[in-house]
Amino acid sequence: DAGITQSPRHKVTETGTPVTLRCHQTENHRYMYWYRQDPGHGLRLIHYSYGVKDTDKGEVSDGYSVSRSKTEDFLLTLESATSSQTSVYFCAIRPGQGHYEQYFGPGTRLTVT
Amino acid sequence: AQSVTQLGSHVSVSEGALVLLRCNYSSSVPPYLFWYVQYPNQGLQLLLKYTSAATLVKGINGFEAEFKKSETSFHLTKPSAHMSDAAEYFCAVSEGQGGSEKLVFGKGTKLTVNP
Repeated sequence: DAGITQSPRHKVTETGTPVTLRCHQTENHRYMYWYRQDPGHGLRLIHYSYGVKDTDKGEVSDGYSVSRSKTEDFLLTLESATSSQTSVYFCAIRPGQGHYEQYFGPGTRLTVT
Repeated sequence: AQSVTQLGSHVSVSEGALVLLRCNYSSSVPPYLFWYVQYPNQGLQLLLKYTSAATLVKGINGFEAEFKKSETSFHLTKPSAHMSDAAEYFCAVSEGQGGSEKLVFGKGTKLTVNP
């Protein structure tokens, strides 16, 4: 257990509304990641963070923004949700320099109607 | 950019039979490789990792994987399948350096274990 929680765990929202997903970790890890998982696509990286206020884009960042104002929280925001953003979202942490594996949270299932 | 190919999106075996899940990678540098397992409605759990030490890597739940550089492969095996092994399995390769390390995942293989 890497001490990662995600909230909410399930959310249904309407097209055009803003949505923020939260990832919280308790072990002070520097590196955090947001992925989306869709059938037939595996996991695809949306954004990642390598420290407080240090973030970068991943493979599928369009339509998403992130913020990290403190070590323990990494927020993913959909400014104006679309049906194509219906997915399961996973947060992950990487323990740090010399470690390349990541540990995942339980996921958030988001449905955009 | 690195990439990972998992051959077979669905694999079905009988309980007690050998499990073999295939993973091939492309990497311009010596890779770090991983296998993850995902049970229904759960997050991903690290099964095992290769980080340039022994080429045969043992993981949890009796799984192991062998790194073969000449074949650019990192196949996952288990000698005898259990019903509890039914899950989706993902192979991943690390890319990037200097703080920008990321994982690139294959599309996954769903394992069914028949009684």
